Amino acid sequence: DAGVTQSPTHLIKTRGQQVTLRCSPKSGHDTVSWYQQALGQGPQFIFQYYEEEERQRGNFPDRFSGHQFPNYSSELNVNALLLGDSALYLCASSKGLAKNIQYFGAGTRLSVL
Amino acid sequence: GQSLEQPSEVTAVEGAIVQINCTYQTSGFYGLSWYQQHDGGAPTFLSYNGLDGLEETGRFSSFLSRSDSYGYLLLQELQMKDSASYFCAVRPYTSGTYKYIFGTGTRLKVLA
Repeated sequence: DAGVTQSPTHLIKTRGQQVTLRCSPKSGHDTVSWYQQALGQGPQFIFQYYEEEERQRGNFPDRFSGHQFPNYSSELNVNALLLGDSALYLCASSKGLAKNIQYFGAGTRLSVL
Repeated sequence: GQSLEQPSEVTAVEGAIVQINCTYQTSGFYGLSWYQQHDGGAPTFLSYNGLDGLEETGRFSSFLSRSDSYGYLLLQELQMKDSASYFCAVRPYTSGTYKYIFGTGTRLKVLA
């Protein structure tokens, strides 16, 4: 049973560029949340998708957008990259909203130069 | 605002017992969760307290006191593989929210 998978594992971009990160949830899960984790910090909630709709959003600018596909996989898009966007981006999945246990992927390490 | 504070670092020796505290300032939440994250790895779920009191899962126990705005994770019989970062997390009661808030994280170093 595959867990949460994310791609790519590492990514290097320059300021102003755009990036797309991908996530496949754990088998049987239909809800995907995205987090940004700066070095030495806890994960910060970006947004959550369920039934292909954004259900909740954290304190992130509109440069951060997402999508969920009918197979429950999800993408995180970041436009006009800033140096401060350099972080580990984590995807977490669960079966249904409002669950107390989330299953995380290993993340995508984004470096913005 | 809503925040969860943890000590930044804790050091202990193999076989010892260590307690990682989580103090919070949030109006109300559904429960307190704990996650472990090894360097370069994914956070993995350890424990959940929906009610006040102690929950035990093998070598790990977690405690919650809503009246004291306080919780902790207790790790017994420490092993080298327990060296990792530990995060507490809550989902606030705020109407219609499915948003999770994570603590600042505690880096545990286990010494031989």
